[in-house]
Amino acid sequence: QSALTQPASVSGSPGQSITISCTGTSSDLGAYNYVSWYQQHPGGAPQLIIYDVNKRPSGISDRFSGSKSGRTASLTVSGLQPEDEADYFCCSYARSGTYWLFGGGTKLTVL
Amino acid sequence: QVQLQESGPGLVRPSETLSLTCTVSGGSISGHFWSWIRQPPGKGLEFIGHISDSGTTTQNASLRSRLTISLDKSRGQFSLQLSSVTAADTAVYFCARTLPFTWYPYLDYWGQGILVTVSS
Repeated sequence: QSALTQPASVSGSPGQSITISCTGTSSDLGAYNYVSWYQQHPGGAPQLIIYDVNKRPSGISDRFSGSKSGRTASLTVSGLQPEDEADYFCCSYARSGTYWLFGGGTKLTVL
Repeated sequence: QVQLQESGPGLVRPSETLSLTCTVSGGSISGHFWSWIRQPPGKGLEFIGHISDSGTTTQNASLRSRLTISLDKSRGQFSLQLSSVTAADTAVYFCARTLPFTWYPYLDYWGQGILVTVSS
């Protein structure tokens, strides 16, 4: 099964807001609300920033928010800060043998 | 503080078996699913499989024929074995833990990752 589709890159200036999209199919994002988002800095492990579409784990800034409509999930980062520069991956439960399907990743650049 | 640490060889020859262990410290094995995720250099993440605290496994169908995941609760470790490896299996391999009592892809603690290169 193909990965969820994310833009390769997005950028924004400090203080601005950006949104990263994650598009799937009727077998994953279109059918389920088991969506998570991860932030990964270069050379590091991914960090969970959103789960259950729009919930934040303890300690994650409320500048990160998630949503979903149909087959597309979105991550919004508001009030951009330099430390937000990283790769972001979405993930969904999938009704297939893959079970957990990740997006290809989006590189966020803070200008 | 929960910590996960991957260990194993960084170089595996083609057609041989890749074996990794993840050691969990600072937290209980119970109540979580213990996962393996990999990331080829410069690419995205791929779910390999996970194991429950009772030993039930879920495996990515694309890897299932070559994959074994096991758990040793007494030692606080879980392991991955991937047989008949090729260059396509070269990746950073991460172990990770799900949020409590959830089967879904919500991984709150991760190991630092270990690069495994398949090459002769």
